[in-house]
Amino acid sequence: GQQVMQIPQYQHVQEGEDFTTYCNSSTTLSNIQWYKQRPGGHPVFLIQLVKSGEVKKQKRLTFQFGEAKKNSSLHITATQTTDVGTYFCVRRGSTLGRLYFGRGTQLTVWP
Amino acid sequence: EPEVTQTPSHQVTQMGQEVILRCVPISNHLYFYWYRQILGQKVEFLVSFYNNEISEKSEIFDDQFSVERPDGSNFTLKIRSTKLEDSAMYFCASSDPGQGYEKLFFGSGTQLSVL
Repeated sequence: GQQVMQIPQYQHVQEGEDFTTYCNSSTTLSNIQWYKQRPGGHPVFLIQLVKSGEVKKQKRLTFQFGEAKKNSSLHITATQTTDVGTYFCVRRGSTLGRLYFGRGTQLTVWP
Repeated sequence: EPEVTQTPSHQVTQMGQEVILRCVPISNHLYFYWYRQILGQKVEFLVSFYNNEISEKSEIFDDQFSVERPDGSNFTLKIRSTKLEDSAMYFCASSDPGQGYEKLFFGSGTQLSVL
């Protein structure tokens, strides 16, 4: 359907380790967005990917969009405690602003 | 950076009571939304609003829900007769497609507890 599947649901890492979360769709996506939600906070937009095979970097974060535009990943290099939160991949619906959030990957970083 | 503001931050109500959740979207944004998140679950779309009318609503947004833009700055969500299962964090969001893509700015949310 309209949902995107995200794995893993939870990830616990030691500070300094890398982290990756994966997002998959059964249908081709026009674009994919990533949001971060800190514990007790609200979703904050990180990035949007549009092109097949696109790779974008934000400091230690690397976002990829698959060649078939059915999957995406977020990789964090050398995690820090400030990276703690839930990372959601999000697909758009048929109308402006209707977004379908995945279940998210909850990242815990141990100091 | 401009923010979406929501009030109150917490609302406790009795089942069957009406509640109004308030939001002030970012001032130059034209598209407004309500989402909700039940504890520990994913964020779910409720409704989108543009040009003083609903653009789209989800199956969650039944006759008990309504939205209004009573003036040039506020955007409200009303639940007429709350049910236990309405307990959730309600997020207001706004966007400006003139930026070229659908970047939603979310408020800090109203935690609604229905007893």
